[in-house]
Amino acid sequence: GAVVSQHPSWVICKSGTSVKIECRSLDFQATTMFWYRQFPKQSLMLMATSNEGSKATYEQGVEKDKFLINHASLTLSTLTVTSAHPEDSSFYICSARDRVETSGDIQYFGAGTRLSVL
Amino acid sequence: AQTVTQSQPEMSVQEAETVTLSCTYDTSESDYYLFWYKQPPSRQMILVIRQEAYKQQNATENRFSVNFQKAAKSFSLKISDSQLGDAAMYFCAYRSSNSGYALNFGKGTSLLVTP
Repeated sequence: GAVVSQHPSWVICKSGTSVKIECRSLDFQATTMFWYRQFPKQSLMLMATSNEGSKATYEQGVEKDKFLINHASLTLSTLTVTSAHPEDSSFYICSARDRVETSGDIQYFGAGTRLSVL
Repeated sequence: AQTVTQSQPEMSVQEAETVTLSCTYDTSESDYYLFWYKQPPSRQMILVIRQEAYKQQNATENRFSVNFQKAAKSFSLKISDSQLGDAAMYFCAYRSSNSGYALNFGKGTSLLVTP
């Protein structure tokens, strides 16, 4: 099946620094990628939808200047948490939608990134 | 926005037994997709089963089947012959056919499988 690679799996950073998380579709082209955030023992909350070659669409309440998303190619989307603070500590998960329409309603998920801000 | 409700925060089942996880949703749309995802301790989201709303037949995948009641807006997951490896968080998710492909998740049900 389709594979989505997310890197890094765990990152610890100091408050005020920026962290970049990569999401790659390894064996398919992803027109659209999604970024979710998951707090401990809670559900996944959509942060933004990332479309290749265009600006990301952010959900209400998500600071676009705080969470920078770039989808420069059909296989790579990045999420940069700028000037990270302890409240940004969370589990971030990406998913990708296969460009091929016949399987278009299936999203493939990365393994997630645990961000800890000290 | 569509709301997905999973009313069972935790469920327990004995190995080899059957368990049903409930999910209801609220929508005014007639065409949409429903999913069950499994999230084991590794936190990797795994698709268990999906259902297209326009199909009346309930989806099945080996030991996993759904009871899709469109009028009641209910989408329960039945796991037969439960195995220890089924222990995980299970999330019900809704996807509109009109507004992009993002998934709207319920709060999840933690399934414990006892020997």
